[in-house]
Amino acid sequence: LAKTTQPISMDSYEGQEVNITCSHNNIATNDYITWYQQFPSQGPRFIIQGYKTKVTNEVASLFIPADRKSSTLSLPRVSLSDTAVYYCLVGGRPNTGFQKLVFGTGTRLLVSP
Amino acid sequence: GAVVSQHPSRVICKSGTSVKIECRSLDFQATTMFWYRQFPKQSLMLMATSNEGSKATYEQGVEKDKFLINHASLTLSTLTVTSAHPEDSSFYICSARDYGTVGTYGYTFGSGTRLTVV
Repeated sequence: LAKTTQPISMDSYEGQEVNITCSHNNIATNDYITWYQQFPSQGPRFIIQGYKTKVTNEVASLFIPADRKSSTLSLPRVSLSDTAVYYCLVGGRPNTGFQKLVFGTGTRLLVSP
Repeated sequence: GAVVSQHPSRVICKSGTSVKIECRSLDFQATTMFWYRQFPKQSLMLMATSNEGSKATYEQGVEKDKFLINHASLTLSTLTVTSAHPEDSSFYICSARDYGTVGTYGYTFGSGTRLTVV
């Protein structure tokens, strides 16, 4: 499983756009990139998943350059409730057998008023 | 969407006793579930892979005789912390994947169990 590197922490203010970048230099051809969000004393929650270029859903966007050695999670107009730890993971294709998820350090995002 | 229920959410036990944590997939079948442990301010650490109808696969450094895993049905996995000690105090989280629903991505995690051994 590809190892990931993220900033340990980030600070932002309400209403701003937050971009969290994750490096995964050893990503394999079949690996997908998935981001999870975790609040204190809760299990992680799936945010978004992608393979290349750009993916957007109702809560975030995921930008993946052509070489796929990094990815950027973009949170538009954050609010106080977005304060959480964000994890970037890479792994095998979805819906093709199980894959164990190995979590990196994650990025602790603090949103202030 | 897929829901994973984990119980109890909090448990306090005396040193030397055993504690069982349940993980259920509520609306899908899960032949494989995963158990994680998380210490304060740290990331999730994978402990073991729970396989329905067969033995669990433990990660390196995890004592299989201390952390007993049973996956007797397609919707239930249990983790039993045997002879618990204060150093076993941690946040335990399970996860599973719904492969049966088209368009479902990512894993679903339980809400976690806060174990405190006194």
